[in-house]
Amino acid sequence: GAVVSQHPSWVICKSGTSVKIECRSLDFQATTMFWYRQFPKQSLMLMATSNEGSKATYEQGVEKDKFLINHASLTLSTLTVTSAHPEDSSFYICSAQRRIAGEVDTQYFGPGTRLTVL
Amino acid sequence: RKEVEQDPGPFNVPEGATVAFNCTYSNSASQSFFWYRQDCRKEPKLLMSVYSSGNEDGRFTAQLNRASQYISLLIRDSKLSDSATYLCVVNIGRGRRALTFGSGTRLQVQP
Repeated sequence: GAVVSQHPSWVICKSGTSVKIECRSLDFQATTMFWYRQFPKQSLMLMATSNEGSKATYEQGVEKDKFLINHASLTLSTLTVTSAHPEDSSFYICSAQRRIAGEVDTQYFGPGTRLTVL
Repeated sequence: RKEVEQDPGPFNVPEGATVAFNCTYSNSASQSFFWYRQDCRKEPKLLMSVYSSGNEDGRFTAQLNRASQYISLLIRDSKLSDSATYLCVVNIGRGRRALTFGSGTRLQVQP
């Protein structure tokens, strides 16, 4: 299957700092990537859709100025959590959409980044 | 009402048992359906897509009932390694490419 990487896999930071998370599709090009967040014992919640070469589309209730998304190439999207606070502590997962003609679009997930804000 | 609903479980079954999960979705225009598996503190991994005609992959069988808006997953001859959370996932279409996840059903297979 397709491979998506995320870096870092975990990060601990102080309140007020910014954290950057990278998502890469390693063996395919992805014009669309997605960023999800998962709190303990809850389902994945979509935060935003990242479109290569254009602005991200944010879900209702997600602050675009706090969660900065950049999708500068067909294989890389970044999420920056600015001025992180303890309530931002969560498991952040990206996915990259692979499109193959004649097949259902499939999303492949990165391994996730566990963010802990002290 | 949630867009995708699942029984959270847990389902505790012995090895070798057959277990079935159901999932309902609210948007009748939904276009694509999947089952993902998520192990504790890991990312979801695609288990199988679900087609209207039903599909089978080894011990796993998935079915879709569009009229009733539900999806099922059947696991036969359960293995210890099947223990995980199974996520019902829907693409509601209408230009929205993101997936909508159910909250997951936890399966624990016991020796």
